[in-house]
Amino acid sequence: DIQMTQSPSSLSASVGDRVTITCRASQSISTHLNWYQQKPGKAPRLLIFLASSLQSGVPSRFSGSGSGTDFTLTISSLQPEDYATYYCQQSSSPPRTFGQGTKVDIK
Amino acid sequence: QVQLQESGPGLVKPSETLSLSCSVSGGSMNSYYWSWVRQPAGKGLEWIGHIFTTGKTNYNPSLKSRVSMSIDTSKNQFSLRLSSVTAADTAIYFCAREQWQAPLDPWGQGTLVIVSS
Repeated sequence: DIQMTQSPSSLSASVGDRVTITCRASQSISTHLNWYQQKPGKAPRLLIFLASSLQSGVPSRFSGSGSGTDFTLTISSLQPEDYATYYCQQSSSPPRTFGQGTKVDIK
Repeated sequence: QVQLQESGPGLVKPSETLSLSCSVSGGSMNSYYWSWVRQPAGKGLEWIGHIFTTGKTNYNPSLKSRVSMSIDTSKNQFSLRLSSVTAADTAIYFCAREQWQAPLDPWGQGTLVIVSS
């Protein structure tokens, strides 16, 4: 199985801050890396696919980068509605695997 | 747009079989993988497996001995069965659509299954 390791597991940030979350795969997954946002009681929402492609309807303050084993999700200017938990997920090969999540809360 | 909705018992006894269905509306099931993901309370996401419209499956090795999935495209639904459940299987279960090497999108709203006597 491909292991996905996210860091940090949690962070506190203020509105307007630039936030960066990293995700590392245990082996190369090319750009088969997706990012999701999940709010309490809700299903995950796709933000970024293929490492850097913005899903339709997602604000442009979200961006993704990386290839191979190292990936980054960046929120350029944190907004109140961005407080949530973020997960990376590899879709290179089964079993699909998720990072453990990064909880972003209010500083 | 495509919408997914999970259904099934919210309470299952230990050692019994958990059975859930996911209804798909607003689009064709053909040429997609249909996935199940679960999330215990306060924890992360775990991919259970997926089934293609031909019936081909891939399961998470950690659950493979207890999981089976089926699909009925004529009814626009697919199903999950998880046998010999324990309290560790208590979770919110989500269904989702997937293409090969593509993300899970969209997702159903999720259904809570509690394993308890």
